[in-house]
Amino acid sequence: NAGVTQTPKFRVLKTGQSMTLLCAQDMNHEYMYWYRQDPGMGLRLIHYSVGEGTTAKGEVPDGYNVSRLKKQNFLLGLESAAPSQTSVYFCASSETSQSSYEQYFGPGTRLTVT
Amino acid sequence: KQEVTQIPAALSVPEGENLVLNCSFTDSAIYNLQWFRQDPGKGLTSLLLIQSSQREQTSGRLNASLDKSSGRSTLYIAASQPGDSATYLCAVEAAGNKLTFGGGTRVLVKP
Repeated sequence: NAGVTQTPKFRVLKTGQSMTLLCAQDMNHEYMYWYRQDPGMGLRLIHYSVGEGTTAKGEVPDGYNVSRLKKQNFLLGLESAAPSQTSVYFCASSETSQSSYEQYFGPGTRLTVT
Repeated sequence: KQEVTQIPAALSVPEGENLVLNCSFTDSAIYNLQWFRQDPGKGLTSLLLIQSSQREQTSGRLNASLDKSSGRSTLYIAASQPGDSATYLCAVEAAGNKLTFGGGTRVLVKP
């Protein structure tokens, strides 16, 4: 049981390039999330999904798109990377929206946009 | 809009001393509050989850309290060890299972 995994672990992009971050979970969780963490700040929610085929905007969605074609995978896309998107990206998953279920986090992807 | 604050931003204590970490939130309409640990360059590990109907949760040397009416939670770590050095984040869950995080408290336990 690997939990939540993220690919890649590190990436350097030039301004204007595109890329996709992959998150996978093997816990059969319904809910999945993408967060970004900037220095000295907590995590901020980018997009989330409450089930296969659904996505919704979080606190900071601009410049990102997501897809949840399979229950176990949640993809985060950057169509035209900007230096402001330099950050560490975390994926998380949880069973349901009920209050007793905690979120499980992946190890993160460190992205630098030059 | 929910805002979560953690003070202090950094804390240094000698080994063996008890740690007290504070978390405050502006909107008391929460479902639960979670405390996480983050080691440098790593992901988040959940430590404790307190449901809105609970007053506290305990796990080993860790004890977290929740006072919803005053918008406060405190994480106590008894008899700190150098291995407790990390950043501790609190997060509150509101509608839709969305977490709002504080900025974290960076803890250093000196041998």
